[in-house]
Amino acid sequence: DSGVTQTPKHLITATGQRVTLRCSPRSGDLSVYWYQQSLDQGLQFLIQYYNGEERAKGNILERFSAQQFPDLHSELNLSSLELGDSALYFCASSPGTSGGLTDTQYFGPGTRLTVL
Amino acid sequence: AQSVTQPDIHITVSEGASLELRCNYSYGATPYLFWYVQSPGQGLQLLLKYFSGDTLVQGIKGFEAEFKRSQSSFNLRKPSVHWSDAAEYFCAVDPLTGRRALTFGSGTRLQVQP
Repeated sequence: DSGVTQTPKHLITATGQRVTLRCSPRSGDLSVYWYQQSLDQGLQFLIQYYNGEERAKGNILERFSAQQFPDLHSELNLSSLELGDSALYFCASSPGTSGGLTDTQYFGPGTRLTVL
Repeated sequence: AQSVTQPDIHITVSEGASLELRCNYSYGATPYLFWYVQSPGQGLQLLLKYFSGDTLVQGIKGFEAEFKRSQSSFNLRKPSVHWSDAAEYFCAVDPLTGRRALTFGSGTRLQVQP
């Protein structure tokens, strides 16, 4: 158990809908990362938050957004869903201290999203 | 271009045999290097990491990895594989500059034969 929790574990929805994935980082971790794992794209970085602020963006679609709340949990919002958004979405957290020089990311169990 | 390559998509070994999974990276400077394992239906578990110092790194579950700067490689090894090691293994890189998110290789699926 990494200490990172994600809910829900599974999500099935229809095209055009909007969903919210939730992540609680390990106790004390300030950084939260979101990754998408799909068969055709592999594991891809989406976005990072550090202590409530967006720090880095990866291959995140404009239909997707995220935020990190004062209690440090994070939510990933996916809207206007398409079939191709079906994937496993991982959250990871890291301490984010010491400038992040030796940060290690610990991953949650993931949320499997199926878009029908 | 910066990249992480795992040349072997799928490897099958017999239980008790040794294992080596390959990982090569292409970055301007030596990045931080990681190996993660993903069991079926599970999340990613950190096996080991290399930041600096001793180039032979010990991890959990009896795994080790060796960093070779001259070959830009960070291969994962285990002397004797157990059936429970069947999983997908991912090499990942933190480039240390710019965006600090991990870049993952495409993964190697390990199958263990009895």
